[in-house]
Amino acid sequence: NFMLTQPHSVSESPGKTVTISCTRSSGSVASNYVQWYQQRPGSSPTTVIYEDNQRPSGVPDRFSGSIDSSSNSASLTISGLKTEDEADYYCQSYDSSNHGVFGGGTTLTVL
Amino acid sequence: EVQLVESGGGVVRPGGSLRLSCAASGFTFDDYGMSWVRQAPGKGLEWVSGINWNGGSTGYADSVKGRFTISRDNAKNSLYLQMNSLRAEDTALYHCARFTYSSGWYDYWGQGTLVTVSS
Repeated sequence: NFMLTQPHSVSESPGKTVTISCTRSSGSVASNYVQWYQQRPGSSPTTVIYEDNQRPSGVPDRFSGSIDSSSNSASLTISGLKTEDEADYYCQSYDSSNHGVFGGGTTLTVL
Repeated sequence: EVQLVESGGGVVRPGGSLRLSCAASGFTFDDYGMSWVRQAPGKGLEWVSGINWNGGSTGYADSVKGRFTISRDNAKNSLYLQMNSLRAEDTALYHCARFTYSSGWYDYWGQGTLVTVSS
């Protein structure tokens, strides 16, 4: 099985751009879709990116996703940061048996 | 509107059992796989178990294999998790989530039901 590794925390100022990485430990990141979830305190996770780079309806285009085979990682980029973007962000993929795999989560602080 | 509502959580002693339920509405339940994902207090998300549309295929995290059993009743639009031999490390908020096979995406989540294992 593989693991997904995220930075524990990132911080950036309002209006700036931040990128959160998610590195797959083994196997190709391109072989299974990656999703990104936002979780605010006391709430359930909601999707900001699915299928590597697709945004669900209602998610602003300030959120974008990508994968990079050279670093075997996925990335979530949030531009024009707003204070409301402060949350925990989780990447997620799945293995060949459709077992879910989550990254450890990244706390985004907008200060 | 898709809704997933979990129930059945509570306080249980180590070694005890609980059965969680998830009532689904707003979509054709047997068109989707379903999963349980838990979150220990102050910790990240952990996939626990998954089941395909008709219950014919199930999967478990190593941490719960042999102790937990996932099942579903499509006639009742319900998902279940039978949890036996509970341990302190099973203490968590348990979410049910709808799973889309084509992308491996958990597109809808319930609010969760809290399980506390303590003596």
